[in-house]
This record gives sequence, structure tokens and C-alpha cells, in this order.
Amino acid sequence: AQKITQTQPGMFVQEKEAVTLDCTYDTSDQSYGLFWYKQPSSGEMIFLIYQGSYDEQNATEGRYSLNFQKARKSANLVISASQLGDSAMYFCAMRGWGNDMRFGAGTRLTVKP
Amino acid sequence: ETGVTQSPTHLIKTRGQQVTLRCSSQSGHNTVSWYQQALGQGPQFIFQYYREEENGRGNFPPRFSGLQFPNYSSELNVNALELDDSALYLCASSAGRTGGLYNSPLHFGNGTRLTVT
Repeated sequence: AQKITQTQPGMFVQEKEAVTLDCTYDTSDQSYGLFWYKQPSSGEMIFLIYQGSYDEQNATEGRYSLNFQKARKSANLVISASQLGDSAMYFCAMRGWGNDMRFGAGTRLTVKP
Repeated sequence: ETGVTQSPTHLIKTRGQQVTLRCSSQSGHNTVSWYQQALGQGPQFIFQYYREEENGRGNFPPRFSGLQFPNYSSELNVNALELDDSALYLCASSAGRTGGLYNSPLHFGNGTRLTVT
């Protein structure tokens, strides 16, 4: 069974600083994908970044990067140069060979001006 | 490119009633998944459909059922509504074949907020 753990219910960061959101996972699949989503208060789920289990390079998408440590089964999201619009819920998710995507409990990020 | 659309956006039902939620997949996507998101929690996987057949189900009772149509649109039906069914219901679509979807992100609709009184 797959399990995603996000241990930070809430995080605060000063505008323009970087922040790391933690995610650990557990799976018996050899092939899997790790994803991060942003959910603003309006409710839509916005796909941010993807990391494949066989990818040797950490994924980056603009200000988002994924710190992937396979041996530790961690996939932390790093947001650089935080903006006020980054305030939202952030969910780590995993999709294995069984196809269904499972989500963590989320981290609420608040960016302070 | 048309994104995932869900209807209705909000719905209020009474305990014991039945409800049908609808979803149109993103163009070119043949897989649709449904999630339940209670307030303050992460989305919980209900089930997934690929080419009109259910090919994955989470820990939800049989009163949660679904359909996928030839045009890849989908319905979620919930019978005998309970107060705990109050939640945001999210539909998501992706492209790919069964067994090879692990690298495909889900694209979500804006959800249907269901309130059961």
C-alpha cells in the first residue's frame, strides 16, 4: 500500500525567502511518480511539479524544485523567492503502477509581507 | 484545449437522498478519477475509470458508484447520503494506458461542494 506523509500542518515564510515543504512516502512499487499540487482557498488543485522514480536529476519548474532523495523516500518541495500569491495548501502525491494517485494531508503555507 | 469541468459547483441535499455529480474530462484524456476532500484534509481516492471500466477503487462503500461514457465524461453517484458525505468532490483526468500512468499528472476540475443536512 502507498502512503504519503506530510508532517508540517502549517508553515510560515517571509516574502522573497525560500521555503521547504517536507514529504516522505512509502511504496513497494519500483516505478512511481511523485507530484506536488497547490490548492488556493478557491479550491482548485494546481499541478506544480513531477519527479519520476528513475529520474536522476531533481525536477525544477520555475521557482519550484523537488529535492528527491530516493533512499530516504523523501520528495521535498522547495519554493524560492516566495510571493504573497504562494499562500495556499500544498499537497504531495504519489502515483504507482496501480495508477491511482494518493495524497498527503497537506501543508498550509502562509507568506508574510 | 478545454480543461476539466464539473457540475454543479454547489449542491445541498438531505440525508438519505441520492446525488449525481458530473465531470467532463480534458480533451484527449481517457482516464478519470474521483476524489473526496473533507474540510482541512487531503483528497481521498474514490475510484478511477479507464475506457469506461473501473480500474481502481479506494476505501469507499458501494453506495459510491460511477460511470464513464464513450466521450470520457463521467458521473459520480452517491446513494443514501450521510452527513459525513459533506465534502468537496474533485474530478481529475489524465492521459495514458492502464499500468502506465505513474508519470501522468492529474488535471483537476474546480470541484463540486456537497452539503448534506
